[in-house]
Amino acid sequence: DSGVTQTPKHLITATGQRVTLRCSPRSGDLSVYWYQQSLDQGLQFLIHYYNGEERAKGNILERFSAQQFPDLHSELNLSSLELGDSALYFCASSVEGGRRGEAFFGQGTRLTVV
Amino acid sequence: TQLLEQSPQFLSIQEGENLTVYCNSSSVFSSLQWYRQEPGEGPVLLVTVVTGGEVKKLKRLTFQFGDARKDSSLHITAAQPGDTGLYLCAGATSGTYKYIFGTGTRLKVLA
Repeated sequence: DSGVTQTPKHLITATGQRVTLRCSPRSGDLSVYWYQQSLDQGLQFLIHYYNGEERAKGNILERFSAQQFPDLHSELNLSSLELGDSALYFCASSVEGGRRGEAFFGQGTRLTVV
Repeated sequence: TQLLEQSPQFLSIQEGENLTVYCNSSSVFSSLQWYRQEPGEGPVLLVTVVTGGEVKKLKRLTFQFGDARKDSSLHITAAQPGDTGLYLCAGATSGTYKYIFGTGTRLKVLA
């Protein structure tokens, strides 16, 4: 158990809908990262938050947004969903701001868009 | 643009064989991590290398960071079926907070 909690574990929704994925980082970790992993693909970096502030953005679509709250949990919002958005979405947390790395991952949310 | 290229992409070997996986970039990394991922699970951290030329050992796994901190390798001695999985290198290039992952090496060790 990495200490990072993601909910829900599975999500099935229709095209055009909006969903929210939630992540609770390890106790004491200030950084939260979000990644997308499509079938048999690598991990695509979406966004990084540190202590409530956005630190870095990857190839995150405009239909996607994220935030980190004062209690350090984070949410990833996906809107106007398309079939191609079906993927595993991972959240990771780390103590430092990102340069040292050593991220700890949740179990992921499997999103299926039908 | 994928900053971290891993090779080989796929590797299928017999139990007891040795193997090396490579992680290469044209960018300098302040540190590199190696992870292993099982199907449907999140990646699990194996090791961090920080200093150019650093070598770290984790049982049968040996990790090396290139002198220029642009590349790394993972060597597995006497591979076992339990080593099967997706191996990923990851890091943040110097001066950025983008923590990116390599393209991955999918290893299968046959009994």
